[in-house]
Amino acid sequence: DTAVSQTPKYLVTQMGNDKSIKCEQNLGHDTMYWYKQDSKKFLKIMFSYNNKELIINETVPNRFSPKSPDKAHLNLHINSLELGDSAVYFCASSQVAVRQFFGPGTRLTVL
Amino acid sequence: AQTVTQSQPEMSVQEAETVTLSCTYDTSESDYYLFWYKQPPSRQMILVIRQEAYKQQNATENRFSVNFQKAAKSFSLKISDSQLGDAAMYFCAYRGLSGGSNYKLTFGKGTLLTVNP
Repeated sequence: DTAVSQTPKYLVTQMGNDKSIKCEQNLGHDTMYWYKQDSKKFLKIMFSYNNKELIINETVPNRFSPKSPDKAHLNLHINSLELGDSAVYFCASSQVAVRQFFGPGTRLTVL
Repeated sequence: AQTVTQSQPEMSVQEAETVTLSCTYDTSESDYYLFWYKQPPSRQMILVIRQEAYKQQNATENRFSVNFQKAAKSFSLKISDSQLGDAAMYFCAYRGLSGGSNYKLTFGKGTLLTVNP
């Protein structure tokens, strides 16, 4: 059973389009995260939800909007995609305890 | 704000040898967690080892061990008996102890480890 899953794993799209990435965890965790890994492999937090409440909202363009319909899901919607949005996006989850479990990542390519 | 620095963009080691990856961090907190994550070409993020700052004893996981120097804010990873499967990007990460925004992981820029047969 996959602990943290993301769909799709690969996403290729044109500039200006709107796209969503979905994340689901079956670990019963109450906190979920989105991280962005850029072309130089640098990983940075974008958002975090705890029990469906937004608790971390780093400096991210307004075109990025997370949505958590329930504790097990955290989706990322991106409007008006730009070339600079090309990256790998990781979803992760954790319980109050420390360890974060990462999904397989979604490689987004904007043409 | 917390920062994590990995000063070695790339390292290489011969199979069966030992290699140490460096990490330093900056924080004003007294309690926190430190991690090493491994990212192979498959891009999956894999937790290698974890250290709680309040524990003086260095964490070990099989061939992986850390040298945690709290006063120096240093957290190095030692890989013994290196194997070809250890080849990957290694990230050092910091997490605060309390909740809210401290739940996030702050990562270093990574060290790419090559293992030579």
